[in-house]
Amino acid sequence: QKEVEQDPGPLSVPEGAIVSLNCTYSNSAFQYFMWYRQYSRKGPELLMYTYSSGNKEDGRFTAQVDKSSKYISLFIRDSQPSDSATYLCAMRKSNTGNQFYFGTGTSLTVIP
Amino acid sequence: DVKVTQSSRYLVKRTGEKVFLECVQDMDHENMFWYRQDPGLGLRLIYFSYDVKMKEKGDIPEGYSVSREKKERFSLILESASTNQTSMYLCASQRNTYPEAFFGQGTRLTVV
Repeated sequence: QKEVEQDPGPLSVPEGAIVSLNCTYSNSAFQYFMWYRQYSRKGPELLMYTYSSGNKEDGRFTAQVDKSSKYISLFIRDSQPSDSATYLCAMRKSNTGNQFYFGTGTSLTVIP
Repeated sequence: DVKVTQSSRYLVKRTGEKVFLECVQDMDHENMFWYRQDPGLGLRLIYFSYDVKMKEKGDIPEGYSVSREKKERFSLILESASTNQTSMYLCASQRNTYPEAFFGQGTRLTVV
């Protein structure tokens, strides 16, 4: 079993829709949770990170962590065609060392 | 803004060639990483460096070596390129005690 599971999609939504992207994980030691956006043939770009449980909001993006269910989500409000990309979740047990655990990414297309 | 710059966006090399991928970061980060990204496999860590001249093997170091002579520069070397090393290579940097990593734009390497 992989430590981080992410549905690869593809996910296709109309412009303006609310998008929900999710990851599940198996290791309760994870404390830091990150979301990256990756456009085609580009490197991942950090969108936001959260520590432990709770919500964090940045503009149209909200990250949510439910440690009791081992489940994290990224919500995109008022989705735009420019949001079309692959979204990767990443997790860490601590903020030192080399261990990042990445999901394989969910491909999102927002249709104008 | 953190800037991680990879020397090439696209490279085509012949089997058996020695290949150098260069990465430079401008934020004085202690830690630097080399990943490869393949469809369905996600990001896999090749090597990690936590200081000048210091390195650790990642999950898939076979066929690769690295060099970090200066803090801002981390090089990945393919000693004798093979077709199964055709991939997207991603460099990342991270500051100690901060959880998030920042990625370069990626190098798409094709070995023919």
